[in-house]
Amino acid sequence: SSELTQDPAVSVALGQTVRITCQGDSLRKYYASWYQQKPGQAPTLVIYGKANRPSGIPDRFSGSGSGDTASLTITGAQADDEADYYCHSRDITGSHYVIFGGGTKVTVL
Amino acid sequence: DVQLVQSGADVKKPGESLKISCQGSGFTFGSFWIGWVRQRPGKGLEWMGSIFPGDSEATAYSPSFQGRVTFSADTSISTAFLQWHSLEASDTAIYYCARQRGGSDYYFDLWGRGTLVTVSS
Repeated sequence: SSELTQDPAVSVALGQTVRITCQGDSLRKYYASWYQQKPGQAPTLVIYGKANRPSGIPDRFSGSGSGDTASLTITGAQADDEADYYCHSRDITGSHYVIFGGGTKVTVL
Repeated sequence: DVQLVQSGADVKKPGESLKISCQGSGFTFGSFWIGWVRQRPGKGLEWMGSIFPGDSEATAYSPSFQGRVTFSADTSISTAFLQWHSLEASDTAIYYCARQRGGSDYYFDLWGRGTLVTVSS
């Protein structure tokens, strides 16, 4: 099965831009989706497919990808964006298996 | 409202059995795969597997959970279930159910609030 690798933690100054990356072989074949999880809450989908945002997700969140790496960018980070972010994709085998990255803790300074 | 409502927290002893539930509303429950995701205290998300309630024979188990848990569903009450026959302390976690979308690129667009399972002697 595949693996998705994320940096454990990143920090960003209020109002600045932060990019979170996710690396794995499955991303050469499938798009990543991204989830935000705040303490004590369930995850929330923020990006899916090529670079789609669900209704209600601010446009400061954007997604991109190249080769085996997917990225989630927060442009103009807000205090409310401080959270854990997880990438996710279908397993490279093309079965119904899916995988999550280990998560990135984003701290807004 | 479109939502997934999960059963309440539970405390069990090692070796006991448990079945938790996830009830959907506001959408055709039997038409979507439902995934189960574990989150141990202070840890990340782990996909356990998924079930297609419209055909309860349609399941996919992560190798890490195969044989340890059982998925089932009852479309008449729009509910999916996650079951253990013999719990271990290491099963202590929050368990989320989530609706899976996507024809080729899967994603979970709707999540339950989670069920906290505590296994302790």
